[in-house]
Amino acid sequence: QKEVEQDPGPLSVPEGAIVSLNCTYSNSAFQYFMWYRQYSRKGPELLMYTYSSGNKEDGRFTAQVDKSSKYISLFIRDSQPSDSATYLCAMPMHSGGSNYKLTFGKGTLLTVNP
Amino acid sequence: SQTIHQWPATLVQPVGSPLSLECTVEGTSNPNLYWYRQAAGRGLQLLFYSVGIGQISSEVPQNLSASRPQDRQFILSSKKLLLSDSGFYLCAWSAQSLWQRANYGYTFGSGTRLTVV
Repeated sequence: QKEVEQDPGPLSVPEGAIVSLNCTYSNSAFQYFMWYRQYSRKGPELLMYTYSSGNKEDGRFTAQVDKSSKYISLFIRDSQPSDSATYLCAMPMHSGGSNYKLTFGKGTLLTVNP
Repeated sequence: SQTIHQWPATLVQPVGSPLSLECTVEGTSNPNLYWYRQAAGRGLQLLFYSVGIGQISSEVPQNLSASRPQDRQFILSSKKLLLSDSGFYLCAWSAQSLWQRANYGYTFGSGTRLTVV
């Protein structure tokens, strides 16, 4: 079983829709959870992070973590065409000493149609 | 503010030719540095990471190597490229401190799209 699983999509929604993006993970040692957004031909950029169960809101974006189910979600309200991108979940894991490595999901390609 | 520079943006190289991709970070010191490769449908694969000058850890046995000759410079190299080396290569940096890493994650460069022909 892969450490982080993410449905690659693609996901296509109309403008204004609520989008739900999800990842599951197998390693209960993961404590921090991040979402990255990657526009076409660009590097990923950090969108949101959280380190606890529950919800964290930032504008139209809400990150949700359920550690008991090893399941994380990113919700986008009132989606806009500018939200069209690949969304990757990521989890840092201790890899020895003071170093942590990020494990990424494969990313979900989202298209918001005007 | 911290910035990360990666070049070139695109590169087309013949099989068997050498490769050198460079990444530099500004505005921070003692960063952790990373090289990732992103292939279609395969997500981000960590290739190398470095916690200091001359300290390189390899994640995947392959045709590539990395070097860190200066604190904020990270180089990805190959002596002879293979077709399978094609992909989108991303350099990233993170802070040394756990708190900063947890709160700010990794910062990625804009990537190099390598096509081996």
